[in-house]
This record gives sequence, structure tokens and C-alpha cells, in this order.
Amino acid sequence: QQQVKQSPQSLIVQKGGISIINCAYENTAFDYFPWYQQFPGKGPALLIAIRPDVSEKKEGRFTISFNKSAKQFSLHIMDSQPGDSATYFCAASREREGGKLIFGQGTELSVKP
Amino acid sequence: DAGVTQSPTHLIKTRGQQVTLRCSPKSGHDTVSWYQQALGQGPQFIFQYYEEEERQRGNFPDRFSGHQFPNYSSELNVNALLLGDSALYLCASSFGSREPQHFGDGTRLSIL
Repeated sequence: QQQVKQSPQSLIVQKGGISIINCAYENTAFDYFPWYQQFPGKGPALLIAIRPDVSEKKEGRFTISFNKSAKQFSLHIMDSQPGDSATYFCAASREREGGKLIFGQGTELSVKP
Repeated sequence: DAGVTQSPTHLIKTRGQQVTLRCSPKSGHDTVSWYQQALGQGPQFIFQYYEEEERQRGNFPDRFSGHQFPNYSSELNVNALLLGDSALYLCASSFGSREPQHFGDGTRLSIL
């Protein structure tokens, strides 16, 4: 009920390409879905987040697509750059339980020049 | 505007010892959550403090305890350390326990 499953575990993309990372959740009570970016030796940094009242949210090169019926959401990174090489985590929480983020296992993205 | 700060950055302990980790929230934030991140894994929620009380707790034993001070800073205490407690411990802060949360860079705890 509390799991968030993330795939793929690792991803290699050429510079300028599109990186796509997928997540699936089980608990239909989740109503907040953020994506975090983490560089080695650093804490996770919030990239973009979505709530289930919209199906897509775009901020610069980053887009979240959300499919409520399938209980899935994904992160698209357009025009991927070597500086985007990092580990990406999806997460989910219930607003009523504010602060208890359930994280996916992470995706290590490598963007080749 | 200072973000979330954690201390120390690294710590080495031996089995059975006790450790205290510290966190200062981002300016304007009053809620602190603690997470444990094992190598190669996503962070796991330990507990959350708001108004100096533990509001929520994840699936962690009583060896893990915490405290929040009137200035909103927080401590995480772990007793009777086990090898499996080796991890990056992350602190996150928010306003009124509402999203979004902002994370610090963590304390790397190694147990020998």
C-alpha cells in the first residue's frame, strides 16, 4: 500500500536526447507527487511536483505526466545535458500526512556528450 | 537565505555507541522531518517534528528518537548503534508540515 516503484534503475542518454523515468504507486490516497534530483554528496533537491487534479506540468525542460487511472507518473527531461547527470527520485505523499514522503528506489541518469 | 543545515557532515562510530545529529531548518520553516538513505536507495521516513512534538513516525525502532527545540532546530538520536545504521541521514524542513520539503545535504554516518 505504501510502495512507490521506479524504473529504470539506470539510464544512459545522449546529449540533446529525452530522458524518461517512470514511477507507479499503489496507495490511491496519495495526492502529492514530487521529483527530486540528487548529486553525489548532496541532499535531494526538489525539481518539480504535481497534484492529481492535472495530467501534466511543465517547468523549463522538465515535464511530469500523471495518469491517475493507471496510478503512474513520469518525468521527462527534454534536451538532456551532461549537467543533468544525477540520481532522480520520485516520491508520493498524502497531504493529510504532510511530511511523510514515500520515495522510489532512484534512477541514475548519465547524459553522454 | 540559509537553507537547511546539518551537522556534522561525517561521523564514524562503533557498534553499541550512541549518536546525535543536528539540523537547522530553512528560514521561515517550522517543521522538521528526518530520513535515512542507505547507499543506492531512496530516503526512508524516520519521523517528523512540529511544535516540539513528534507528529508522525515511520517504521523505525525506538532506538531512533528525536527532539525539536523552540527555535525549530532538531536533533536525531540513535542508541545502541548497529552496522545496519550506516547511512546518510537527511533532514528536511517545511512550513506547517505542508509540501514542499527542502532537504539538507545530510550527515554520513559510518558504523564500524
